[in-house]
Amino acid sequence: DVKVTQSSRYLVKRTGEKVFLECVQDMDHENMFWYRQDPGLGLRLIYFSYDVKMKEKGDIPEGYSVSREKKERFSLILESASTNQTSMYLCASSFIEEPQHFGDGTRLSIL
Amino acid sequence: AQSVSQHNHHVILSEAASLELGCNYSYGGTVNLFWYVQYPGQHLQLLLKYFSGDPLVKGIKGFEAEFIKSKFSFNLRKPSVQWSDTAEYFCAVKPNQAGTALIFGKGTTLSVSS
Repeated sequence: DVKVTQSSRYLVKRTGEKVFLECVQDMDHENMFWYRQDPGLGLRLIYFSYDVKMKEKGDIPEGYSVSREKKERFSLILESASTNQTSMYLCASSFIEEPQHFGDGTRLSIL
Repeated sequence: AQSVSQHNHHVILSEAASLELGCNYSYGGTVNLFWYVQYPGQHLQLLLKYFSGDPLVKGIKGFEAEFIKSKFSFNLRKPSVQWSDTAEYFCAVKPNQAGTALIFGKGTTLSVSS
């Protein structure tokens, strides 16, 4: 069974901090994705990656960056956290043209 | 820009009632279509998918969806819901085009009372 593991279920950080969210998948998937999920807004794509060291902006990339140094790991970075980045963050992975598999999510609170 | 619309934000049903959740998308080309479900406290799970072929697809737990190309729709149905179907349901569309990702609707919360 596919396993997408996000490093933390809950995280509390302060405004202005640099925040790292880590995601690891164990299925050798080419594609990896970061979304944020907010009530009434559904899932919005932040960044995605189709290969190592490759990244593409999604719908809401402002204030975020990503890193994919190894195929199994995709990191989301909040360069300088702000309160409007308080949200649930979801990582997903997939083979090309196959359905995405999601992690359990990280609920991030920025104080 | 491509978008996915889910018509109902919150649906409340009694057990054994029939369910239909609407989903429409805006994209003129070929698409792959998905319904995901998120049970309380759990991660998103794939309910069913449509890539090609028979436009009526069957998924897990008795759910099915019908792709109507002329209406750009992919509605989810279940003839008789159970209390355990209480969850949030997301329709998602992926344009069949290199370099694109899933586009999600805003979700529909289904509450089933026993």
